[in-house]
This record gives sequence, structure tokens and C-alpha cells, in this order.
Amino acid sequence: KAGVTQTPRYLIKTRGQQVTLSCSPISGHRSVSWYQQTPGQGLQFLFEYFSETQRNKGNFPGRFSGRQFSNSRSEMNVSTLELGDSALYLCASSSDPGQGLETQYFGPGTRLLVL
Amino acid sequence: GNSVTQMEGPVTLSEEAFLTINCTYTATGYPSLFWYVQYPGEGLQLLLKATKADDKGSNKGFEATYRKETTSFHLEKGSVQVSDSAVYFCALSDPSGDKLIFGTGTRLQVFP
Repeated sequence: KAGVTQTPRYLIKTRGQQVTLSCSPISGHRSVSWYQQTPGQGLQFLFEYFSETQRNKGNFPGRFSGRQFSNSRSEMNVSTLELGDSALYLCASSSDPGQGLETQYFGPGTRLLVL
Repeated sequence: GNSVTQMEGPVTLSEEAFLTINCTYTATGYPSLFWYVQYPGEGLQLLLKATKADDKGSNKGFEATYRKETTSFHLEKGSVQVSDSAVYFCALSDPSGDKLIFGTGTRLQVFP
């Protein structure tokens, strides 16, 4: 069974631009969570989607948004990029959020550099 | 709110040395506790978990015990290998149980 895939793996953008990251969960998984990893703040929860609905949201500004499609693939979008948005963005999938966090599988991440 | 504090790294050890990475937490209720490992260029992998006080999680020679009285979940391994070089994250479940709250990570470097 293929793992969680994230595209692209690396991305360079400039301030003010917008970016879209994609996450394909493990086949059969319907829950997708996004995390931001930075050296200063560590790993922080962005949001979680289940069956195309946002179930949870972290403390990030409205510039960060996401969505989930009927095939469970998820995208996150960051508008008006700032230097501080440079980070590794990790996606995690699980079959059902009610089955516990230990059932989450993480993808390799998308490394975003904002210049 | 819930939070996790990890010892800062890097932790540098020789092969076969004993490893301890400290992790303490602040939480309401009874969260589940986790250790994740991130190898270079890869995503996070669940290393071990504990869901209640006095539980011991173990995997690949690593162990951690859920200590409610000291609010700790220290990671230990009796004899590290070069292949254990990675970043280790302590995490707990938030009160809703729907998301993870991570520590800042500790980089472990093991030299032959």
C-alpha cells in the first residue's frame, strides 16, 4: 500500500505570492491533517479535514486555508506569502479520526522557501 | 493549554552509549503521549506511545514510561546505533483527542 504522498517536495516562492500544496492520503484513509514545522516554533497543527469537511483548525491566520476533495486528497493554500511561512509542511492521514492519533501516517513533507 | 517541553539538542553520543531524551508535559485531563522520529529527508514516524499513567511504550529498543506524578515521558535506549541518528519529537494529544501537540524536537547524532 502506497504511503502518504505530498507534492511538490520543494518549492521556492517570493513574498506576496500564493502557493498550493497537495497531499494524497493512504488509500482508504478519509482524514487528512496538516502541520507546519519550523526551527523556531517546531511542529504546529494547521487543520484537519474529514469527508471534505474541516473538523479542526489551529491558530493560524486566514491566509492559510485548505480543502479536501471527494477522493480524500487535500490541498492547502497560503496566500500573500511572508518570509516566516518558510517551513516544512507535513500532511498526515488516518482512516478515521475516532481511531486514535497513533493511526496517523505522515508524508515526507513539502519544503517551502519564501524569499 | 496542553504543551510539551523537550530537552534541547543536539545530543551527541558514541555508538552503544545510553540515551535519554527528556520530555515533560502540561495537560488537562489524561492525554495520550507519543514519541515520533524523523530521519533526514523523511516525514514523521510513530516510534512508541502510551495512553495512561504507568504505561510503558516500547519499540526498536526505545522505551518511555508515562509518569503522571512527574508529568514526564522520557525516551531511553540502552545502546544507540549510528542508524538512530534522527530528530525525536515528544507529543501529546490535545484535550479533544483530535490533534497532536509537539515538542520542539531533539536532534540525536550517534558517531561510530
